[in-house]
Amino acid sequence: DVKVTQSSRYLVKRTGEKVFLECVQDMDHENMFWYRQDPGLGLRLIYFSYDVKMKEKGDIPEGYSVSREKKERFSLILESASTNQTSMYLCATRASGRAREQFFGPGTRLTVL
Amino acid sequence: DQQVKQNSPSLSVQEGRISILNCDYTNSMFDYFLWYKKYPAEGPTFLISISSIKDKNEDGRFTVFLNKSAKHLSLHIVPSQPGDSAVYFCAASNPGTYKYIFGTGTRLKVLA
Repeated sequence: DVKVTQSSRYLVKRTGEKVFLECVQDMDHENMFWYRQDPGLGLRLIYFSYDVKMKEKGDIPEGYSVSREKKERFSLILESASTNQTSMYLCATRASGRAREQFFGPGTRLTVL
Repeated sequence: DQQVKQNSPSLSVQEGRISILNCDYTNSMFDYFLWYKKYPAEGPTFLISISSIKDKNEDGRFTVFLNKSAKHLSLHIVPSQPGDSAVYFCAASNPGTYKYIFGTGTRLKVLA
């Protein structure tokens, strides 16, 4: 079974703080993704990575950066948190090749005050 | 521009009846579609998928239908159970990309 873990289930931060969200997977998948989920907007892709140190912007990258120094770990960084970044953040992984399914972590509910 | 749309934000169905969740898309290049189910405070879990070369895929109580000419897919759950109550997302991808585009979700409530 694929296991995708996220460092925190709930997080409360103040405006202007630097925030790190970590995602770790144990299935040796090449591709990792960060989404945010907001009511009425579904899941929107922030960034994804298809290999170590490789990244690509998704649909809403503004205000975020990412880091992938090891294959199993993909970090999402909010350089200076703002209230409009209050959201549910979901990490996902996917193998390369024919397998098309993405596996999601449990999510981090971030509140920025 | 929303390429994948779920126009019904919510749906209520009686236990034992059929649930039909709908999804429309605009990009005719999409070649693979998935349905995910999400409970509150949990990550989405994969439910069922379909390739664009098929028009139907079945897995137990879940069946996905694809109508390429109408750019429409639907998820049928028969019979519906209270444990099916969740938010359902459809997702689509283009060939040669690892990204998916998700719809906005439909909240299904199955009434006992």
